Amino acid sequence: DTAVSQTPKYLVTQMGNDKSIKCEQNLGHDTMYWYKQDSKKFLKIMFSYNNKELIINETVPNRFSPKSPDKAHLNLHINSLELGDSAVYFCASSLSGSTGELFFGEGSRLTVL
Amino acid sequence: QQPVQSPQAVILREGEDAVINCSSSKALYSVHWYRQKHGEAPVFLMILLKGGEQKGHEKISASFNEKKQQSSLYLTASQLSYSGTYFCGGDPGDQGGKLIFGQGTELSVKP
Repeated sequence: DTAVSQTPKYLVTQMGNDKSIKCEQNLGHDTMYWYKQDSKKFLKIMFSYNNKELIINETVPNRFSPKSPDKAHLNLHINSLELGDSAVYFCASSLSGSTGELFFGEGSRLTVL
Repeated sequence: QQPVQSPQAVILREGEDAVINCSSSKALYSVHWYRQKHGEAPVFLMILLKGGEQKGHEKISASFNEKKQQSSLYLTASQLSYSGTYFCGGDPGDQGGKLIFGQGTELSVKP
């Protein structure tokens, strides 16, 4: 059983389109995150939810909208995709009150043409 | 402000040692270390808490000097499996568990 799973693993799309990435964790964690990793491998936090509540909202264009229907799921919807959105998006989860170890999903590679 | 890691890249022969440094301009509550192999997700190695002791994980250990806001990762007798990009992540402690990662250090271990 995959602990943190993301779908899809690959997306190739045209500029201006809208796309979504889904994430699910079966670890019983209460905190989930979206990280963006660019072509230079820079890993930057975008959002974090704790028990469905948004707790971290970095300076991210409002074309990006996260949604957490329950504490095991965190989705990312991106509107009006731009070339600069091309990156690998990682979902991660952790348990608050623990060491804070992040468990990452396998990543979703988004390519905007 | 992201932590700064050094060196940016290092090439080792199997069995050699390496040190990767991570320096923050902000006070940190904890420092995390992760390793990411090519095409894979980052994997947690260890966490060092403010006031805590040096940690170890197999032949990989780390230290955290909270006064200098610096952490170092020590890889001893490197193995081929150690190859990958190492990231330190700093947690200021007052931002909901937010980790700010350094730019990464690419480590290649050759036979």
